Amino acid sequence: DQQVKQNSPSLSVQEGRISILNCDYTNSMFDYFLWYKKYPAEGPTFLISISSIKDKNEDGRFTVFLNKSAKHLSLHIVPSQPGDSAVYFCAASARYGNKLVFGAGTILRVKS
Amino acid sequence: NAGVMQNPRHLVRRRGQEARLRCSPMKGHSHVYWYRQLPEEGLKFMVYLQKENIIDESGMPKERFSAEFPKEGPSILRIQQVVRGDSAAYFCASSPGPGRNSNQPQHFGDGTRLSIL
Repeated sequence: DQQVKQNSPSLSVQEGRISILNCDYTNSMFDYFLWYKKYPAEGPTFLISISSIKDKNEDGRFTVFLNKSAKHLSLHIVPSQPGDSAVYFCAASARYGNKLVFGAGTILRVKS
Repeated sequence: NAGVMQNPRHLVRRRGQEARLRCSPMKGHSHVYWYRQLPEEGLKFMVYLQKENIIDESGMPKERFSAEFPKEGPSILRIQQVVRGDSAAYFCASSPGPGRNSNQPQHFGDGTRLSIL
């Protein structure tokens, strides 16, 4: 039972343009959502998070949007840079501090 | 390096042997989580521990797997009598835990890649 889904296995974007990564969830108990970036042979690196009381959170080039009614969140990266090329994982938890449920990841390639 | 430290980075075992994976959390973090990543998949939760306590082990296989986080020293994930299907990357994460520095995310180590011959 995949409670967190990233339906796009990969995404290719031109440098300088916007990257939009999407994530859907099914468990209405989830109230804390995170995005992680992962390079090969390294652990996931935290990017940005959002709690269910908000619908948007920004940190530099990264913005996460949460649509609770649609059970959907997205990560926007503007402008995209070649160094952003990595696997991006969406994760969710029911209450902060609890276990994270991860999506399968989206491979982002930013072309220069 | 004040990050989450995992060792070894690579571990090779033969079927039937035991594997021990170690994790030292970030300084100031008292909560440890173990996740497993199979090829082409996302990370799957295994177990959540505080010092000397298992908080949630709902993701742990019922047999051969155990975890501990003693009062002193690193957290240990132990796999007895390993089988080929145990080959995966095992990641440890830590956090301050609920109620302290609230909304601090889990920070991950670089993982242990376990290969079973």
